[in-house]
Formats: sequence, structure tokens, C-alpha cells
Amino acid sequence: NFMLTQPHSVSESPGKTVTISCTRSSGSIASNYVQWYQQRPGSSPTTVIYEDNQRPSGVPDRFSGSIDSSSNSASLTISGLKTEDEADYYCQSYDSSNQVFGGGTKLTVL
Amino acid sequence: QVQLVESGGGVVQPGGSLRLSCAASGFTFSSYGMHWVRQAPGKGLEWVAFIRYDGSNKYYADSVKGRFTISRDNSKNTLYLQMNSLRAEDTAVYYCAKTHPSGYYYMDVWGKGTTVTVSS
Repeated sequence: NFMLTQPHSVSESPGKTVTISCTRSSGSIASNYVQWYQQRPGSSPTTVIYEDNQRPSGVPDRFSGSIDSSSNSASLTISGLKTEDEADYYCQSYDSSNQVFGGGTKLTVL
Repeated sequence: QVQLVESGGGVVQPGGSLRLSCAASGFTFSSYGMHWVRQAPGKGLEWVAFIRYDGSNKYYADSVKGRFTISRDNSKNTLYLQMNSLRAEDTAVYYCAKTHPSGYYYMDVWGKGTTVTVSS
């Protein structure tokens, strides 16, 4: 099994851009899609990115996803930060029979 | 609209058993694979188990293999998680999640969760 490693926390000011990384420990990041979930305090997770870079309907285009094979990592970028973006963000991927979540990144917008 | 409602959580002693349910509505339940995902207090998300739309294949995290059983009743639009030999480290909020038509790897709708506490 592989692991997905995320920074524990990031912080940025409103209106700025922040990028959260997700590094796969073994196997290629490009071999299986990466999803990103947002979880606000006291709420269930919701999807902000699926299949590396696809946005579900209703998710603003301020959210974007990408993968970088050279660093074997995925990234979630949020531009034009709003206070409502403050939440925990989790990356997720899979292999043949397992789903794997990253440890989560707490985004503070201050 | 698509809705998932978990139930069956509670307080149980170590070594005990519990069965969680997830009632689905607003979509054709029998057409979608389903996951259970848990979150220990103050911790991150941990995938627990997956079942195909027809129940033909089931997969488990190593941490619960041999102790938990995922199942479904498509006639009742309900997903289950039978949890046996419970341990303190199984204490968590348990979420059921529906897969997206794109693939079993994408959990597009989540329930609100049910809380399981394993304590003597």
C-alpha cells in the first residue's frame, strides 16, 4: 500500500492564492486519479476536485487541481481566497483494492 | 435529492459488536458502489470498506479485515457495516459515501455520519 502525504497546515490572506500538495509514497501519481475533499468543522466532506482536475458542478473555478509526475504529487490550488474556504482538505487516491486518504491539511484564511 | 442517512452508532464495550446502517434515497441505489469511511476524534479520514453495486465484490482496509463486514440490501436501499471484536481505536464517526458514475474511486455524496464509541 502507498501513502499520501500532505502538509499539516497552511495559511494565507483573503484574496491570495494557496496551493496544497499531496505526495504519493510509491507508485506513480499519474496511475490513479486523485480527488480532493473539503471538510468544514462539524460537517461531512464534500468534493472540490475529482479525477485530478475536474470540478463538480457548483464548485467555483477558484478551485483547481493538477498532478506533477516529476515530484509524484498532486496539488490543489485555491485562488482569490475567501474566509469561507477555511477548512480541512484531504486528497484521496486508490489502487486495485484500497482507497487511501492523505492526512489532511488545515487551511487558515486570515 | 440524493440523501444518505447513517444510523446504529452508540457506545459499546471493547470486544463487542455493532451494526451500522445507511439509508439511501434520491438515486438508484442498486446501480452504485458504496463506501464506509471513518474519522476518529480530531483525526483525518480513513477508508474502511467498499462494496460493488451488486454486492459481488467487497474490499476492506487492513485495520478492519476479518472483523468488519460490509453488505447491502438493494431491495431496501440500505447499506450495512457489521462491526465485531471492536477496539478502542475503532472509535470514530462513520460515514457512508456513494460512488460517482465515473468510477468507484470517487465518493461524490456523503452522509452526515454516525458516532461509534468503544469504551469500557
